[in-house]
Amino acid sequence: KAGVTQTPRYLIKTRGQQVTLSCSPISGHRSVSWYQQTPGQGLQFLFEYFSETQRNKGNFPGRFSGRQFSNSRSEMNVSTLELGDSALYLCASSREGATGELFFGEGSRLTVL
Amino acid sequence: AQSVSQHNHHVILSEAASLELGCNYSYGGTVNLFWYVQYPGQHLQLLLKYFSGDPLVKGIKGFEAEFIKSKFSFNLRKPSVQWSDTAEYFCAVNSGGYQKVTFGTGTKLQVIP
Repeated sequence: KAGVTQTPRYLIKTRGQQVTLSCSPISGHRSVSWYQQTPGQGLQFLFEYFSETQRNKGNFPGRFSGRQFSNSRSEMNVSTLELGDSALYLCASSREGATGELFFGEGSRLTVL
Repeated sequence: AQSVSQHNHHVILSEAASLELGCNYSYGGTVNLFWYVQYPGQHLQLLLKYFSGDPLVKGIKGFEAEFIKSKFSFNLRKPSVQWSDTAEYFCAVNSGGYQKVTFGTGTKLQVIP
């Protein structure tokens, strides 16, 4: 079965702009989580959605937001981009009950100039 | 808050050498423990997991990990590494019933033929 699909794979933005990233989970997976990966900080948890509801949120400013649709697809948005937002944004999906067992996409690499 | 410490940031081994990567976590309650691996050019994937039961767990490609509750440790081992094991390895912890996973900063393993 198809894996987790993230779009776009690469994008370049300038400071102050906003960006929307998309994630399609594995079929049947209702939980979608987002992580930010940077060389200095490693993988940092952003938020998790299940059945269109945010269940968990990491320690990121309000400029980072997300949502989940009824088909479990998810989007995350970053507004008023800063240079420090340059990172690989990873989406992961999981089955209900398999806590912590994540299936990752290949990520969206965001560069902010 | 949970935290995960990986003691080695970069490890270089020759083929056939034995591997042990250290991992310690801070949370004192019930946890699920994981090792994830990211091969060059590939997405992050699950290597092995511990939920309960036998503290020695086996994963894919001959990897195993031992959960020592008294030491808050979950070290990864492999008796004989191969060049194809070159990758970045992440220890991770989950608690609380949802999909919020805390990752260590990762260990880059380079295996020399």
